[in-house]
Amino acid sequence: GAGVSQSPSNKVTEKGKDVELRCDPISGHTALYWYRQRLGQGLEFLIYFQGNSAPDKSGLPSDRFSAERTGESVSTLTIQRTQQEDSAVYLCASSLYGTYNEQFFGPGTRLTVL
Amino acid sequence: AQTVTQSQPEMSVQEAETVTLSCTYDTSENNYYLFWYKQPPSRQMILVIRQEAYKQQNATENRFSVNFQKAAKSFSLKISDSQLGDTAMYFCASPFGSGNTGKLIFGQGTTLQVKP
Repeated sequence: GAGVSQSPSNKVTEKGKDVELRCDPISGHTALYWYRQRLGQGLEFLIYFQGNSAPDKSGLPSDRFSAERTGESVSTLTIQRTQQEDSAVYLCASSLYGTYNEQFFGPGTRLTVL
Repeated sequence: AQTVTQSQPEMSVQEAETVTLSCTYDTSENNYYLFWYKQPPSRQMILVIRQEAYKQQNATENRFSVNFQKAAKSFSLKISDSQLGDTAMYFCASPFGSGNTGKLIFGQGTTLQVKP
């Protein structure tokens, strides 16, 4: 079946602009995660959605970052007033509920803020 | 705060040989899972292997195995008979936070180069 998809694959924007990143998880996966990966670094947790529960936003680095998820389907990550330090690859993953379950990752969106 | 440490930024190995990647972690949980993920140049993260902390037996998946030392909080990955396709960045990951959320904290990664 289809894996996790993300769009766009690359995004170049000017400092101060808003951007919206999209993630389509695997059908039936109730859990969805957003991570940020700076160049040559590990992944940083941003936000977690589980079913219809309130999202866990504890990893969002500032109030310029927000995310939404429609039920158990598509999610969007929005970054307002982008800064150069926001340049990174943004990865989305989905899984069945539970710590032991494999997270399936999308190919990521590379964001470059000029 | 929970941490995951990979002390080897880069490693190389000759094709068909064996290599071990190190990982240490810190958690206050009693029962948990640990993961190794692979990220090839395509950027696609792929699960390599996972270990349940309450199981004493080390996990194995074909050429991949772990050496899990719970008391030392060490979780190393051994790759046997290395292949060119194993060239990638490898990340060790541990769940963090309370509850069964699946949120992961990742190490900084080890870039592995398999040489022909």
